[in-house]
Amino acid sequence: NAGVTQTPKFRVLKTGQSMTLLCAQDMNHEYMYWYRQDPGMGLRLIHYSVGEGTTAKGEVPDGYNVSRLKKQNFLLGLESAAPSQTSVYFCASSLWTTYEQYFGPGTRLTVT
Amino acid sequence: EDKVVQSPLSLVVHEGDTVTLNCSYEVTNFRSLLWYKQEKKAPTFLFMLTSSGIEKKSGRLSSILDKKELFSILNITATQTGDSAVYLCAVIAPNFGNEKLTFGTGTRLTIIP
Repeated sequence: NAGVTQTPKFRVLKTGQSMTLLCAQDMNHEYMYWYRQDPGMGLRLIHYSVGEGTTAKGEVPDGYNVSRLKKQNFLLGLESAAPSQTSVYFCASSLWTTYEQYFGPGTRLTVT
Repeated sequence: EDKVVQSPLSLVVHEGDTVTLNCSYEVTNFRSLLWYKQEKKAPTFLFMLTSSGIEKKSGRLSSILDKKELFSILNITATQTGDSAVYLCAVIAPNFGNEKLTFGTGTRLTIIP
């Protein structure tokens, strides 16, 4: 089992560029989440999905879009990157909401 | 707005010491509290606590929840350098039919050999 994987691991973007972060899990989990982690702010939920074909907004959704076309994949898109989106992005999955979340290794994104 | 507060923000102790990390919360419709350990990369799950007063234990780590006073503590005894990490506390609470995790900002624990 690979668990939760994320690609890419690092990325540098210029302001206004777009990109997609990919999260994949092989544990047949229903729930998937995207977080960002900034110094002094803790982990903040961007978007989440309660199953294939569904998405919902989290605490800080502005500037991001997501899609869950397949149960095992959860994509996070930045249409027009801004320096405020410089962060470490974590994907997580869980079997159900009341179960622990398993995290991916993170993507470090820098927007210049 | 749901809130999770951890203290202290950072802690430096010597190997072999015992440490206690604190997590207090203010959430509507609390369901569970989780502790994670984050070293250089992804947080890894330690404990999930749902009931008050029942200690969860794993080796030198233990945790307990007090739902009346709205806090949890994480104890680490006989600390080792491998315990150096950021410890995150998170609370699960219902949110319009779904449930979400609210994280605290973490306690950075450094163990000096």
